[in-house]
Amino acid sequence: EAQVTQNPRYLITVTGKKLTVTCSQNMNHEYMSWYRQDPGLGLRQIYYSMNVEVTDKGDVPEGYKVSRKEKRNFPLILESPSPNQTSLYFCASRPGVGTSYGYTFGSGTRLTVV
Amino acid sequence: AQKVTQAQTEISVVEKEDVTLDCVYETRDTTYYLFWYKQPPSGELVFLIRRNSFDEQNEISGRYSWNFQKSTSSFNFTITASQVVDSAVYFCALSESSDMRFGAGTRLTVKP
Repeated sequence: EAQVTQNPRYLITVTGKKLTVTCSQNMNHEYMSWYRQDPGLGLRQIYYSMNVEVTDKGDVPEGYKVSRKEKRNFPLILESPSPNQTSLYFCASRPGVGTSYGYTFGSGTRLTVV
Repeated sequence: AQKVTQAQTEISVVEKEDVTLDCVYETRDTTYYLFWYKQPPSGELVFLIRRNSFDEQNEISGRYSWNFQKSTSSFNFTITASQVVDSAVYFCALSESSDMRFGAGTRLTVKP
């Protein structure tokens, strides 16, 4: 089944404790993104990657890191999480950067930073 | 600048009512695509429809229909005879040369 898999689904952590949210897709998609969803703000892009070893900042990159060492994986790293990073996170992939491509989304990771 | 505006934050209707979710976008691109996604209470994002900028024909899929009007930069979504299972957050999105931008979402509650 074609899908984007992200883990964990739920995570509660303490301020400052480094964490990684994993994301993997099995569709051989070149383009991957991370979004965060907050009430009233919709989905905002954190980082995106056009291909292996090519990543760039989205609209809200502060406090996050990503890497793209393999085509299928695109982990999101929070080096020192803070409470304002409490949010619902989505990983997504699409075949390329063309306008016609829609995203396939993972199931989401609900992160709480206390 | 806001690219996609969903002015209705929340809508509440009673089952079997028709409801329209509004979406207004702005772009300078001549080629672009518009999308609608549904986010049910379980949280996942489900693709509903894609429409390209050159196709202004309305689309109907069962109880769902979409009205794309380039003249007003709108891509509205209508649910006919709403059902409780339609309760969700609905996102409109614009895909242009830069990337995809999402609206803030409209939370639809359908009461029995």
